[in-house]
Amino acid sequence: GAVVSQHPSWVICKSGTSVKIECRSLDFQATTMFWYRQFPKQSLMLMATSNEGSKATYEQGVEKDKFLINHASLTLSTLTVTSAHPEDSSFYICSASLGLRTDTQYFGPGTRLTVL
Amino acid sequence: GNSVTQMEGPVTLSEEAFLTINCTYTATGYPSLFWYVQYPGEGLQLLLKATKADDKGSNKGFEATYRKETTSFHLEKGSVQVSDSAVYFCALRDYQLIWGAGTKLIIKP
Repeated sequence: GAVVSQHPSWVICKSGTSVKIECRSLDFQATTMFWYRQFPKQSLMLMATSNEGSKATYEQGVEKDKFLINHASLTLSTLTVTSAHPEDSSFYICSASLGLRTDTQYFGPGTRLTVL
Repeated sequence: GNSVTQMEGPVTLSEEAFLTINCTYTATGYPSLFWYVQYPGEGLQLLLKATKADDKGSNKGFEATYRKETTSFHLEKGSVQVSDSAVYFCALRDYQLIWGAGTKLIIKP
């Protein structure tokens, strides 16, 4: 089946630094990629949707200057958390879709970010 | 707005026990309903889905029926195994996926 990887699986950084998380579709080309954030014991919250070669669409309340998303190719999307602060600590999950239907998403294993 | 509520975990059962994980939703219109599973160290995987009222989704021995009258989509399995230990997420789709908080299932041998 379709496989999505994320790198790194976990990262610890100092407050004020930037962190980049990669999401790759390993065996298929992803028209659309999604970035989610998950807080402990809470549901996944969609942060943004990105289509290859175009700007990401951010959900309401998500700071696009803080969470930079680049979808440079059909197999790679990156999320950069800029000037990270402890409140950005969370579990970030990406997914990739073969087409435009949101129910055919394939999920990465997630990245645990801890900001000290 | 649309929302999904599922029972809090963790749910701990013995092998071969009967499993029910409750999920109810609030939605306008007629959304599609999903159960996703996340095994330790792996990404979310679609377990089953139902697209209209009274549809039953099934996979790997798990079942869930789309009940419009009770706005529910409870997940059931007749006899669980240790390998079913995972986190289960209920979700609905209008124009995007709306997720429940997840229920951790622990199966003891």
